Amino acid sequence: NAGVMQNPRHLVRRRGQEARLRCSPMKGHSHVYWYRQLPEEGLKFMVYLQKENIIDESGMPKERFSAEFPKEGPSILRIQQVVRGDSAAYFCASSPPGSPNTEAFFGQGTRLTVV
Amino acid sequence: AQSVTQLGSHVSVSEGALVLLRCNYSSSVPPYLFWYVQYPNQGLQLLLKYTSAATLVKGINGFEAEFKKSETSFHLTKPSAHMSDAAEYFCAVSGTSGTYKYIFGTGTRLKVLA
Repeated sequence: NAGVMQNPRHLVRRRGQEARLRCSPMKGHSHVYWYRQLPEEGLKFMVYLQKENIIDESGMPKERFSAEFPKEGPSILRIQQVVRGDSAAYFCASSPPGSPNTEAFFGQGTRLTVV
Repeated sequence: AQSVTQLGSHVSVSEGALVLLRCNYSSSVPPYLFWYVQYPNQGLQLLLKYTSAATLVKGINGFEAEFKKSETSFHLTKPSAHMSDAAEYFCAVSGTSGTYKYIFGTGTRLKVLA
Protein backbone atom coordinates (compact mmCIF):
# COMPACT_ATOMS: atom_id res chain seq x y z
CA ASN A 1 0.00 0.00 0.00
CA ALA A 2 1.75 3.08 -1.23
CA GLY A 3 1.86 6.07 1.04
CA VAL A 4 0.87 9.63 0.23
CA MET A 5 2.63 10.56 -2.98
CA GLN A 6 3.60 14.11 -3.76
CA ASN A 7 5.24 15.35 -6.91
CA PRO A 8 7.41 16.90 -7.82
CA ARG A 9 9.70 16.65 -4.80
CA HIS A 10 11.52 19.81 -5.82
CA LEU A 11 10.19 22.62 -7.97
CA VAL A 12 11.96 25.77 -9.10
CA ARG A 13 9.94 28.62 -10.55
CA ARG A 14 10.79 32.13 -11.60
CA ARG A 15 8.81 35.00 -10.13
CA GLY A 16 5.52 35.39 -11.95
CA GLN A 17 5.26 31.77 -13.10
CA GLU A 18 2.69 29.24 -11.95
CA ALA A 19 3.42 26.33 -9.64
CA ARG A 20 1.34 23.16 -9.60
CA LEU A 21 1.83 20.72 -6.76
CA ARG A 22 0.24 17.28 -6.87
CA CYS A 23 -0.82 14.96 -4.10
CA SER A 24 -2.14 11.43 -4.45
CA PRO A 25 -3.64 10.28 -1.16
CA MET A 26 -3.31 6.80 0.22
CA LYS A 27 -5.67 4.24 -1.21
CA GLY A 28 -9.08 4.48 0.42
CA HIS A 29 -8.45 7.96 1.82
CA SER A 30 -10.93 10.61 0.83
CA HIS A 31 -9.70 13.51 2.95
CA VAL A 32 -6.73 15.61 1.88
CA TYR A 33 -5.00 18.40 3.78
CA TRP A 34 -2.37 20.83 2.56
CA TYR A 35 0.17 22.44 4.87
CA ARG A 36 2.96 24.92 4.27
CA GLN A 37 6.26 24.94 6.14
CA LEU A 38 8.27 28.11 5.90
CA PRO A 39 11.97 27.95 6.78
CA GLU A 40 12.57 27.50 10.51
CA GLU A 41 8.84 27.36 11.22
CA GLY A 42 6.25 24.71 11.94
CA LEU A 43 3.63 23.56 9.51
CA LYS A 44 0.66 25.83 8.91
CA PHE A 45 -2.69 24.51 7.78
CA MET A 46 -3.82 25.75 4.39
CA VAL A 47 -6.83 23.81 3.16
CA TYR A 48 -8.90 20.69 3.79
CA LEU A 49 -10.61 18.95 0.89
CA GLN A 50 -12.79 15.97 0.29
CA LYS A 51 -13.53 14.62 -3.15
CA GLU A 52 -14.83 17.51 -5.28
CA ASN A 53 -15.36 19.71 -2.22
CA ILE A 54 -13.37 22.30 -0.34
CA ILE A 55 -14.30 21.87 3.30
CA ASP A 56 -12.06 24.42 4.99
CA GLU A 57 -9.78 26.90 3.24
CA SER A 58 -9.26 29.19 6.18
CA GLY A 59 -5.47 28.94 5.90
CA MET A 60 -5.22 29.76 2.22
CA PRO A 61 -3.93 33.16 1.16
CA LYS A 62 -6.77 35.13 -0.38
CA GLU A 63 -5.07 35.62 -3.72
CA ARG A 64 -3.07 33.47 -6.13
CA PHE A 65 -3.61 30.19 -4.26
CA SER A 66 -6.21 27.57 -5.11
CA ALA A 67 -6.74 23.90 -4.45
CA GLU A 68 -8.85 21.14 -5.88
CA PHE A 69 -9.46 17.46 -5.33
CA PRO A 70 -11.34 16.13 -8.35
CA LYS A 71 -13.37 12.97 -8.49
CA GLU A 72 -10.57 11.33 -10.43
CA GLY A 73 -6.90 12.08 -10.08
CA PRO A 74 -4.71 13.76 -7.52
CA SER A 75 -5.31 16.82 -5.43
CA ILE A 76 -3.68 19.92 -6.90
CA LEU A 77 -2.39 22.98 -5.09
CA ARG A 78 -1.94 25.78 -7.58
CA ILE A 79 0.00 28.97 -6.97
CA GLN A 80 -0.27 31.62 -9.63
CA GLN A 81 2.28 34.38 -10.21
CA VAL A 82 4.66 33.06 -7.59
CA VAL A 83 6.72 35.43 -5.48
CA ARG A 84 9.87 34.81 -3.43
CA GLY A 85 7.80 34.57 -0.25
CA ASP A 86 6.08 31.47 -1.62
CA SER A 87 9.33 29.53 -1.29
CA ALA A 88 8.56 26.82 1.24
CA ALA A 89 7.92 23.12 1.68
CA TYR A 90 4.34 22.14 0.93
CA PHE A 91 3.06 18.99 2.56
CA CYS A 92 -0.02 17.01 1.79
CA ALA A 93 -1.69 14.67 4.26
CA SER A 94 -4.54 12.25 3.83
CA SER A 95 -6.88 10.41 6.13
CA PRO A 96 -9.72 7.96 5.72
CA PRO A 97 -13.29 8.98 6.42
CA GLY A 98 -14.76 8.15 9.78
CA SER A 99 -13.23 7.85 13.20
CA PRO A 100 -11.20 10.73 14.57
CA ASN A 101 -8.95 8.15 16.20
CA THR A 102 -7.27 7.50 12.90
CA GLU A 103 -4.28 9.56 11.96
CA ALA A 104 -3.31 11.67 9.01
CA PHE A 105 -0.48 10.38 6.85
CA PHE A 106 1.92 12.88 5.38
CA GLY A 107 3.71 12.85 2.07
CA GLN A 108 7.35 13.75 1.68
CA GLY A 109 6.53 17.24 0.55
CA THR A 110 7.29 19.47 -2.41
CA ARG A 111 10.00 22.00 -1.88
CA LEU A 112 9.24 25.08 -3.92
CA THR A 113 11.98 27.55 -4.65
CA VAL A 114 11.11 30.83 -6.33
CA VAL A 115 14.04 32.56 -8.00
CA ALA B 1 -8.74 28.98 19.76
CA GLN B 2 -6.25 26.18 20.08
CA SER B 3 -2.50 26.55 20.24
CA VAL B 4 0.65 24.59 20.90
CA THR B 5 3.88 25.79 22.48
CA GLN B 6 7.09 23.85 22.24
CA LEU B 7 9.71 25.07 24.69
CA GLY B 8 13.22 24.95 23.30
CA SER B 9 13.77 25.15 19.57
CA HIS B 10 17.02 23.20 19.94
CA VAL B 11 17.79 20.44 22.42
CA SER B 12 21.08 18.56 22.70
CA VAL B 13 21.52 15.32 24.63
CA SER B 14 24.30 12.79 24.89
CA GLU B 15 23.83 9.36 23.41
CA GLY B 16 22.23 7.18 26.06
CA ALA B 17 20.80 10.10 28.01
CA LEU B 18 17.15 10.88 28.65
CA VAL B 19 15.30 12.76 25.95
CA LEU B 20 12.66 15.25 27.11
CA LEU B 21 10.89 17.45 24.60
CA ARG B 22 8.27 19.80 26.00
CA CYS B 23 4.86 20.60 24.62
CA ASN B 24 2.08 22.65 26.17
CA TYR B 25 -1.27 23.13 24.56
CA SER B 26 -4.27 25.35 24.86
CA SER B 27 -7.70 24.02 24.00
CA SER B 28 -11.25 24.81 24.98
CA VAL B 29 -12.37 21.28 24.15
CA PRO B 30 -10.81 17.89 24.93
CA PRO B 31 -7.86 17.79 22.61
CA TYR B 32 -6.37 15.20 20.36
CA LEU B 33 -2.59 15.50 20.62
CA PHE B 34 0.15 14.18 18.40
CA TRP B 35 3.89 14.02 18.16
CA TYR B 36 5.48 13.82 14.72
CA VAL B 37 9.13 13.44 13.72
CA GLN B 38 10.68 14.91 10.60
CA TYR B 39 14.03 13.76 9.29
CA PRO B 40 15.93 16.07 6.94
CA ASN B 41 14.15 16.56 3.62
CA GLN B 42 11.50 14.04 4.58
CA GLY B 43 7.83 14.18 5.44
CA LEU B 44 6.35 13.81 8.88
CA GLN B 45 6.07 10.47 10.59
CA LEU B 46 3.67 9.91 13.45
CA LEU B 47 5.40 8.95 16.68
CA LEU B 48 2.34 8.72 18.90
CA LYS B 49 -1.09 10.17 19.53
CA TYR B 50 -3.40 10.88 22.45
CA THR B 51 -7.11 10.51 21.78
CA SER B 52 -8.65 10.58 25.28
CA ALA B 53 -7.85 6.98 26.18
CA ALA B 54 -4.82 6.18 28.37
CA THR B 55 -2.93 9.26 29.53
CA LEU B 56 0.43 7.55 29.05
CA VAL B 57 0.88 6.91 25.38
CA LYS B 58 3.58 4.69 23.96
CA GLY B 59 4.79 5.25 20.45
CA ILE B 60 7.33 3.96 18.01
CA ASN B 61 11.11 3.90 18.46
CA GLY B 62 10.85 3.80 22.27
CA PHE B 63 9.15 7.18 22.64
CA GLU B 64 6.28 7.88 24.99
CA ALA B 65 4.29 10.89 26.14
CA GLU B 66 2.07 11.63 29.08
CA PHE B 67 -1.06 13.73 28.85
CA LYS B 68 -1.42 15.93 31.93
CA LYS B 69 -4.62 17.90 31.84
CA SER B 70 -3.82 19.89 34.99
CA GLU B 71 -0.60 21.11 33.41
CA THR B 72 -1.95 21.24 29.84
CA SER B 73 1.17 19.36 28.81
CA PHE B 74 2.06 16.49 26.52
CA HIS B 75 5.82 16.11 26.88
CA LEU B 76 7.69 13.55 24.80
CA THR B 77 10.30 11.32 26.45
CA LYS B 78 12.67 8.51 25.62
CA PRO B 79 14.84 6.88 28.30
CA SER B 80 17.96 6.52 26.20
CA ALA B 81 18.82 8.59 23.14
CA HIS B 82 20.25 7.04 20.00
CA MET B 83 22.14 8.83 17.28
CA SER B 84 19.31 7.97 14.91
CA ASP B 85 16.90 10.06 17.01
CA ALA B 86 18.47 13.27 15.70
CA ALA B 87 15.63 15.00 13.86
CA GLU B 88 13.00 17.68 14.28
CA TYR B 89 10.01 16.93 16.45
CA PHE B 90 6.63 18.57 16.18
CA CYS B 91 3.80 18.57 18.66
CA ALA B 92 0.32 19.13 17.24
CA VAL B 93 -3.25 19.49 18.43
CA SER B 94 -6.20 18.78 16.23
CA GLY B 95 -8.22 21.87 15.60
CA THR B 96 -11.56 20.14 15.41
CA SER B 97 -12.48 16.73 16.67
CA GLY B 98 -12.96 14.39 13.75
CA THR B 99 -10.78 16.20 11.27
CA TYR B 100 -7.09 16.66 10.95
CA LYS B 101 -6.73 20.39 10.79
CA TYR B 102 -3.64 20.19 12.90
CA ILE B 103 -2.18 23.13 14.74
CA PHE B 104 1.54 22.55 14.97
CA GLY B 105 4.14 23.84 17.34
CA THR B 106 7.23 25.47 15.91
CA GLY B 107 9.27 22.32 16.38
CA THR B 108 12.24 21.19 18.44
CA ARG B 109 15.42 20.13 16.73
CA LEU B 110 17.06 17.29 18.66
CA LYS B 111 20.79 16.83 18.44
CA VAL B 112 22.38 13.67 19.85
CA LEU B 113 26.01 13.92 20.87
CA ALA B 114 28.34 10.93 20.69
